[in-house]
Amino acid sequence: GNSVTQMEGPVTLSEEAFLTINCTYTATGYPSLFWYVQYPGEGLQLLLKATKADDKGSNKGFEATYRKETTSFHLEKGSVQVSDSAVYFCALRRGDSSYKLIFGSGTRLLVRP
Amino acid sequence: GAGVSQSPSNKVTEKGKDVELRCDPISGHTALYWYRQSLGQGLEFLIYFQGNSAPDKSGLPSDRFSAERTGGSVSTLTIQRTQQEDSAVYLCASSLAGLGRGYADTQYFGPGTRLTVL
Repeated sequence: GNSVTQMEGPVTLSEEAFLTINCTYTATGYPSLFWYVQYPGEGLQLLLKATKADDKGSNKGFEATYRKETTSFHLEKGSVQVSDSAVYFCALRRGDSSYKLIFGSGTRLLVRP
Repeated sequence: GAGVSQSPSNKVTEKGKDVELRCDPISGHTALYWYRQSLGQGLEFLIYFQGNSAPDKSGLPSDRFSAERTGGSVSTLTIQRTQQEDSAVYLCASSLAGLGRGYADTQYFGPGTRLTVL
């Protein structure tokens, strides 16, 4: 079946540290991949996306590259800020014109000053 | 412009009562989705609307759950005879279109309704 696996949190970093949150997926066909972020007390927001292999999604200093060979979509940021503290969700949407998002379990990031 | 809105933001109810959760999608968005976020199950898809019809209800956990959408806009998720395991955050999302728009049709989420069943 289709599924998304994320590294368990919480991930605790100091400000300006390098961030990696691992995400791997299992899917039939050619899925689209997404990272959503949920800030405290707020709803899910789309952070970035990639629709085909080798695409790189980027936004607000975050990046993720769609790696078909390793079925991965790891989220990275070179220098995190306190304001990046949130829960990050990796998700996929199957490539056969499906609409359903399948989410990972989420990874909580805490950035300390 | 206005995003997806949901009401109420919080709902506390007693076991056995019925509840209605409302979603107002982004204006012009024809596709609407309900998800549930719970501690034990993470984020789960519940139902998808294209216009007023629901071609996929596969995620509804039991026949106590139902949803409707009227006028291609507002949607209501109804849970009858609530149980404690229904406690969760219910998220609504909308997108410009569902099927047929390619693989990158972005879903925009509302802030959710936190349901607590005592």
